[in-house]
Amino acid sequence: DTGVSQDPRHKITKRGQNVTFRCDPISEHNRLYWYRQTLGQGPEFLTYFQNEAQLEKSRLLSDRFSAERPKGSFSTLEIQRTEQGDSAMYLCASSPPGTGNGEKLFFGSGTQLSVL
Amino acid sequence: SQQGEEDPQALSIQEGENATMNCSYKTSINNLQWYRQNSGRGLVHLILIRSNEREKHSGRLRVTLDTSKKSSSLLITASRAADTASYFCATGQAGTALIFGKGTTLSVSS
Repeated sequence: DTGVSQDPRHKITKRGQNVTFRCDPISEHNRLYWYRQTLGQGPEFLTYFQNEAQLEKSRLLSDRFSAERPKGSFSTLEIQRTEQGDSAMYLCASSPPGTGNGEKLFFGSGTQLSVL
Repeated sequence: SQQGEEDPQALSIQEGENATMNCSYKTSINNLQWYRQNSGRGLVHLILIRSNEREKHSGRLRVTLDTSKKSSSLLITASRAADTASYFCATGQAGTALIFGKGTTLSVSS
């Protein structure tokens, strides 16, 4: 396994700009999750995919956020019109087929977003 | 929303000592998991205990689960400086993604 890969590792942007993050899960993992983590807090669930289908979205995922997983492999998370409150670590995780939702997750190293 | 709540928020110990952190949660669960996070990095899965299990061991880790009290504890024996990290409990329920607590920050000094 090469592990879950996230790109970029760090992103600094100005308020109002759009940003896009990419996540490559462990190959053959069919479930992919996005979490957001702010300083001193635990990860908060944003959304998850099973293959290319987006099955659950948190109410934290405002209209400015959109996630895709077009071919059931990598995923992108886009934030439009960024706000300072979007500054956080965005974590991607995946899990293999045969495991139910709420089972062990494999996390990437995250993308640290700073909105100035 | 965060289901689990870890206690204490921060813990400082010497190398060789044991570290115990606790997690309380609110609703029924299928399993409870513990993860470790080094500063600025992603989370690493440590151990999973199912709702019908009471205790589980993995190396220097011992996890207990008391579903009647809706609580779990993680014991790290013979701590090392490399154990310095944040530790999170996460609850797994049918049909929903893992929900994480706020974490315990462990500092092990040599």
